[in-house]
Amino acid sequence: GAVVSQHPSWVICKSGTSVKIECRSLDFQATTMFWYRQFPKQSLMLMATSNEGSKATYEQGVEKDKFLINHASLTLSTLTVTSAHPEDSSFYICSARDHRGVETQYFGPGTRLLVL
Amino acid sequence: GQQVMQIPQYQHVQEGEDFTTYCNSSTTLSNIQWYKQRPGGHPVFLIQLVKSGEVKKQKRLTFQFGEAKKNSSLHITATQTTDVGTYFCAGSGLRFRGATNKLIFGTGTLLAVQP
Repeated sequence: GAVVSQHPSWVICKSGTSVKIECRSLDFQATTMFWYRQFPKQSLMLMATSNEGSKATYEQGVEKDKFLINHASLTLSTLTVTSAHPEDSSFYICSARDHRGVETQYFGPGTRLLVL
Repeated sequence: GQQVMQIPQYQHVQEGEDFTTYCNSSTTLSNIQWYKQRPGGHPVFLIQLVKSGEVKKQKRLTFQFGEAKKNSSLHITATQTTDVGTYFCAGSGLRFRGATNKLIFGTGTLLAVQP
């Protein structure tokens, strides 16, 4: 159990376009989802905490107008990278927390974004 | 802000040797989790430690949470090539009323195992 999916798994886009990434909890409800960014050979950096039915909480230094987060249901959160630029190229990973047990975060497989 | 450091950054061992990675937080943690990320993959949850001084074992892996709940370690006995990957600790801070408890990931330790 506790499977989290992400779509797409990779995307290549032109500079200036917007990219939407979906994160779904497949077999459990997640009132809270997290979005991380990971640059090569670096750790995961938390971007924002997404709560179902309310506005996301962004970490310091993360532009909320640049990275739009919507958590419309208990199983789906989306991250939209608006007007993407080459420096936004990264590995974006979501996680969903299952509140039934020890509040473990289950990670999606990640989305590799390359902005040309 | 809260920081979680890991040492070493990288370790190369011969298959069969032991391996240990250490995790240190700048603040007291409510719990600590360990994840493994294979090259090109995503983090996979290994274990969570909650109690001060707690020790848990998973086959060849031994996890320990410090008495002060500010540090932790992961020890692998007799490494195998399948142990290759980056091991991250992730700390969850003391919960404040109404706050969502978020994870702060450590800097990670990359383990390379030579057959």
